[in-house]
Amino acid sequence: EVHLVESGGGLVQPGGSLRLSCAASGFTFSDHYMDWVRQAPGKGLEWVARARNKANSHSTEYAASVRGRFTISRDDSMNSLYLQMNSLKTEDTALYYCVRVSRQCDFDYWGQGILVTVSS
Amino acid sequence: DIQVTQSPSSLSASVGDRITITCRASQDISNSLAWLQQKPGKAPKSLIYAASRLQSGVPSKFSGSGSGTEFTLMITNLQPEDYATYYCQQYKDYPLTFGGGTKVE
Repeated sequence: EVHLVESGGGLVQPGGSLRLSCAASGFTFSDHYMDWVRQAPGKGLEWVARARNKANSHSTEYAASVRGRFTISRDDSMNSLYLQMNSLKTEDTALYYCVRVSRQCDFDYWGQGILVTVSS
Repeated sequence: DIQVTQSPSSLSASVGDRITITCRASQDISNSLAWLQQKPGKAPKSLIYAASRLQSGVPSKFSGSGSGTEFTLMITNLQPEDYATYYCQQYKDYPLTFGGGTKVE
């Protein structure tokens, strides 16, 4: 059974940094693209970033709203996905989901989410 | 960016009803569209991919159709567990984008 468990969230001041982690199990992690998707309180879903698999050189994509501030990475040996978030803004406050991308390129499994609050 | 517009933003329905939600993309996305269900306090759950293919374990009361720019999610025989917010999402091009959601109440 696929499991995705996020950690590392919390309260941080504007301009601060935070690193999210996602521990994956129940599937061959190295085969899949992995994404982060976020949801501000009471709002809709926003795609944040993608880390492709080793076959695609672990290349990355970012939403314009986070490009240059956030860095997605992965460690296939640890079955883990990461999101390094720098220069955080109040508008980055959200529940952050770790998401597996299927071979059909849609999102087929979601973690339970981890809350990031950016506030002074 | 590809804009994805969902309608209606909310709808009121009764148990046993059949409901339809529409999603429009700002440009041709072929069949690169998914539908997700989110219940309060829970993570989204994938229902449909490639516009019309059901994810494993999703009941056949859910169906998707469309291609290009117009897509539809239909839910038949609405049950209490179906009351949720539904999102469409395009994965044709970056940035990946979601519709604004339809709350079924």
